[in-house]
Amino acid sequence: SAVISQKPSRDICQRGTSLTIQCQVDSQVTMMFWYRQQPGQSLTLIATANQGSEATYESGFVIDKFPISRPNLTFSTLTVSNMSPEDSSIYLCSVAGTIDTEAFFGQGTRLTVV
Amino acid sequence: GNSVTQMEGPVTLSEEAFLTINCTYTATGYPSLFWYVQYPGEGLQLLLKATKADDKGSNKGFEATYRKETTSFHLEKGSVQVSDSAVYFCALRRSGNQFYFGTGTSLTVIP
Repeated sequence: SAVISQKPSRDICQRGTSLTIQCQVDSQVTMMFWYRQQPGQSLTLIATANQGSEATYESGFVIDKFPISRPNLTFSTLTVSNMSPEDSSIYLCSVAGTIDTEAFFGQGTRLTVV
Repeated sequence: GNSVTQMEGPVTLSEEAFLTINCTYTATGYPSLFWYVQYPGEGLQLLLKATKADDKGSNKGFEATYRKETTSFHLEKGSVQVSDSAVYFCALRRSGNQFYFGTGTSLTVIP
């Protein structure tokens, strides 16, 4: 299993500003993912964070809005840039190993943009 | 493509009632299947999993059987408790990296 520490757990931000969310894992992992979960909704994959290279973004998400870093196999950051109230959501970091294994999740970052 | 269809909620049950949450999937090949639980204000926790046809995953009194013939992975519990109140997500992982999640089913158990 993997233990994931995600910070901050919640924040209230002004529109037009940016917030960086950190994800620290207690072991080296192959795959790291960033999800968005809007209130009462399921998870939407934003991107897969790749170690040593650019993240792989899903349709509807772009690097300028959600830049991601992954400097090593245990750490990643997601920045939500130039925020608007529509960005208010829970952002979740997730990791997974090789095929057939489960994903593990951080406790999430609850973001409110005012 | 790959997708998960999950029974819509919310579901409200009395304590000690029987629970079933339906989940069906569409996938090429042989995915691994998972049930996750999300308690208020927390991230998702793995509840159980099955990696091949006819496998039964079980944990904390919950069970689900991987049925390839019906492409289903229904979650069941014989006697729910108030502490089981949460949102439950069915998910699959294809041979690859991406996970696909259902829409979630909110369960409330009343004493």
